Amino acid sequence: GNSVTQMEGPVTLSEEAFLTINCTYTATGYPSLFWYVQYPGEGLQLLLKATKADDKGSNKGFEATYRKETTSFHLEKGSVQVSDSAVYFCALIMMFSGGYNKLIFGAGTRLAVHP
Amino acid sequence: DVKVTQSSRYLVKRTGEKVFLECVQDMDHENMFWYRQDPGLGLRLIYFSYDVKMKEKGDIPEGYSVSREKKERFSLILESASTNQTSMYLCATLPGPNYGYTFGSGTRLTVV
Repeated sequence: GNSVTQMEGPVTLSEEAFLTINCTYTATGYPSLFWYVQYPGEGLQLLLKATKADDKGSNKGFEATYRKETTSFHLEKGSVQVSDSAVYFCALIMMFSGGYNKLIFGAGTRLAVHP
Repeated sequence: DVKVTQSSRYLVKRTGEKVFLECVQDMDHENMFWYRQDPGLGLRLIYFSYDVKMKEKGDIPEGYSVSREKKERFSLILESASTNQTSMYLCATLPGPNYGYTFGSGTRLTVV
């Protein structure tokens, strides 16, 4: 079945370090892929997305490229800030024959950035 | 921007009470979802709805029901609250397959 696997956290980095959070997926076809961010005490916010192979999603200095050959959608940022400390979720869209859709989420990766 | 509003940020209820969690969206989206989020367990889908008066069970529907009488409002009902339903509850909408969910801010429910 469809699934998303993320690297386990927590990931702890110093400010201005390079960030990679790995995400791989299993799916039939080529679903749209998403990264969400959840700051402490809040709901999830869409960070970026890619809807087809080789698309690059980007937002707030974060990037992720849809790689169908490796079924991956790794999240990267060149220089993290303390304010990036949050939980990051990778997700794919799953479509049902009844005409509706839902997202399948990874387990989430906690990022802690210290000064 | 789509706005998804959950009626309460924090809620404390007693065991056995009937609890209503409300979610309202302002963008005419057909698909709406209720998740709960617990440490170490990630996001788990409780119920979803893809049209007015339509509902589908998610992965953990036991102890919950839902109501969708109008397109903009999707209510989660805890029929008889129990302490193991203490959790963060998240509502979301989905406009279509190339768009992501828009989430509400969440309701942190404590059952004592």
